Amino acid sequence: SYVLTQPPSVSVAPGQTATITCGGDNIGSKSVHWYQQKPGQAPVLVIYDDRDRPSGIPDRFSGSNSVNTATLTISRVEAGDEADYYCQVWESISDRVFGTGTKVIV
Amino acid sequence: QVQLVQSGDDMKKPGASVKVSCKASGFTFSTYGISWVRQGPGQGLEWMGGISAYNGNTYYAQRLQGRVTMTTDTSTGTAYMELRSLTSDDTAVYYCARDAGTFDAWFDPWGQGTQVTVSS
Repeated sequence: SYVLTQPPSVSVAPGQTATITCGGDNIGSKSVHWYQQKPGQAPVLVIYDDRDRPSGIPDRFSGSNSVNTATLTISRVEAGDEADYYCQVWESISDRVFGTGTKVIV
Repeated sequence: QVQLVQSGDDMKKPGASVKVSCKASGFTFSTYGISWVRQGPGQGLEWMGGISAYNGNTYYAQRLQGRVTMTTDTSTGTAYMELRSLTSDDTAVYYCARDAGTFDAWFDPWGQGTQVTVSS
């Protein structure tokens, strides 16, 4: 089964940039989606298809994907960005894979 | 607006079954699929499977095959997930999410979650 590896946590000061990685074998050939989950809440889609933002998501959130690593970047980090972040890929219609999750600490 | 509203929290004994509902609104239900994702206490997200509301085709995660059944009622725009032979390992928050069901599809939006607790 396909494995997506994320760092357990990332610490960032307010106003700085947070970089969250998602590693997988040849992940650059797949479309990567990112979700934000705040404590006690359901996940929210923040990036789809590697780099596209749903309506309502600030442009401080951006994504990229190349070779074996996909990256979610949060610029000008705010206290409200503190959350868990998960990457996800479509391995097959019967195998959707989530990353291990990264806690962003502001 | 596009919304998924799930049934309330539930508590079951080991060996029992649980059925969670997910009512959709704000979009044409029959043109999408619904996936189910669960999250154990302090754990990450686990995709359980999905169903096409268009034709009823189901796709289950291999580790849950034989224990899970997903259905839809297109007349009410509601999806259901039933999990049988529950153990304490099934204690989790269960989420439904809209799923385009196409290659490389993502999940958006998500329901609010349903806490299922399995305890004797």
